[in-house]
Amino acid sequence: GESVGLHLPTLSVQEGDNSIINCAYSNSASDYFIWYKQESGKGPQFIIDIRSNMDKRQGQRVTVLLNKTVKHLSLQIAATQPGDSAVYFCAENSRFSGGYNKLIFGAGTRLAVHP
Amino acid sequence: DSGVTQTPKHLITATGQRVTLRCSPRSGDLSVYWYQQSLDQGLQFLIQYYNGEERAKGNILERFSAQQFPDLHSELNLSSLELGDSALYFCASSPAAGGASYEQYFGPGTRLTVT
Repeated sequence: GESVGLHLPTLSVQEGDNSIINCAYSNSASDYFIWYKQESGKGPQFIIDIRSNMDKRQGQRVTVLLNKTVKHLSLQIAATQPGDSAVYFCAENSRFSGGYNKLIFGAGTRLAVHP
Repeated sequence: DSGVTQTPKHLITATGQRVTLRCSPRSGDLSVYWYQQSLDQGLQFLIQYYNGEERAKGNILERFSAQQFPDLHSELNLSSLELGDSALYFCASSPAAGGASYEQYFGPGTRLTVT
């Protein structure tokens, strides 16, 4: 498959361990955040989102934490599986003049799960 | 499967040429977004259309243009191609222009190689 972002930071974990992927965002006025997963050769896939009026949201095996004070977002994956190996992107929704919104993506983190 | 389709999957062409990438959004989605993803960069937002009209512009070169048709499919036109234009091009769609719902659904991408 195609490789995405050969120069991305990589997080290596053992199968069954918990993974934490971090992201710093830039705009303190951003009101919505998303984590995407991108497997090799595929488009980004929605994992979980969180609005700025929340500091934690849980999904199936995933939890997103939002710390607005330091503009930090994290994605926690419980009991990491080989199928979780992918590049993970955070995205923040920023509002611009004219009433439109834009998703701004982070650089991405590669998660490598080892048996 | 996100419901967003893109054609072609792969495209190889020479410098100076012009190509057209096509995207069909999810059924019912009115917004279409185009992104460029190079090996050394993350997802770069190019342009957004909402219900046939250009809504937002990102880092799109003047050699690139896009349009959204009445049936809501979109085309991204890349002209006077350069080696540096080689990248993955993704289309995403969302129901609205970015009001209540910011989540974007990505297609599988088109891999453009300029030789």
